[in-house]
Amino acid sequence: AQTVTQSQPEMSVQEAETVTLSCTYDTSESDYYLFWYKQPPSRQMILVIRQEAYKQQNATENRFSVNFQKAAKSFSLKISDSQLGDAAMYFCAYRSAGMGSGGGADGLTFGKGTHLIIQP
Amino acid sequence: DAMVIQNPRYQVTQFGKPVTLSCSQTLNHNVMYWYQQKSSQAPKLLFHYYDKDFNNEADTPDNFQSRRPNTSFCFLDIRSPGLGDAAMYLCATSRGRGVLGYTFGSGTRLTVV
Repeated sequence: AQTVTQSQPEMSVQEAETVTLSCTYDTSESDYYLFWYKQPPSRQMILVIRQEAYKQQNATENRFSVNFQKAAKSFSLKISDSQLGDAAMYFCAYRSAGMGSGGGADGLTFGKGTHLIIQP
Repeated sequence: DAMVIQNPRYQVTQFGKPVTLSCSQTLNHNVMYWYQQKSSQAPKLLFHYYDKDFNNEADTPDNFQSRRPNTSFCFLDIRSPGLGDAAMYLCATSRGRGVLGYTFGSGTRLTVV
């Protein structure tokens, strides 16, 4: 079974600065997908960025970018020019590319999350 | 806007009293998921429907059941809630196997008294 580890329960950054959230995962598969989700307080979880394991190029979405190190099984999220609205729980998630044991679809395996605080 | 809606946002139920949580979607996604998220823990998949096919996770307690009467709606039934079932329950949807990501609802926070 795959596991996802986020070693930073909480991170704090000054507004406008850059912060990096860490994520490592354990898998024996070669093809999979990785995601970062943002969960603001009392609001729904929103997809921030995704990475396909077979693509070497790191994904980028505006101020959000990832550092994907497949051999090291590492998938960190960098937030540039941090804004107050970035304050949230951030979850790293893994999804196998293979077919699931039932119905052909599996769920996501999540890490425990990192609580990101933005200091004004 | 197309979305995933969970009702109610907060649910209080008595120990042992059956409770149903609901999820609806306007995205026309064919896969719907239920996750349990306890405080300071990772969301945990309980089960999912791929179209009409129900897929239960091996470690999901028998106390938890689900129904999907049509594409738009999915229900989570807890037959006899215990104190340990207090959690946030998240509904999510995806198109196909969800490799592009999932869309989540805002969740229902269940309290058991």
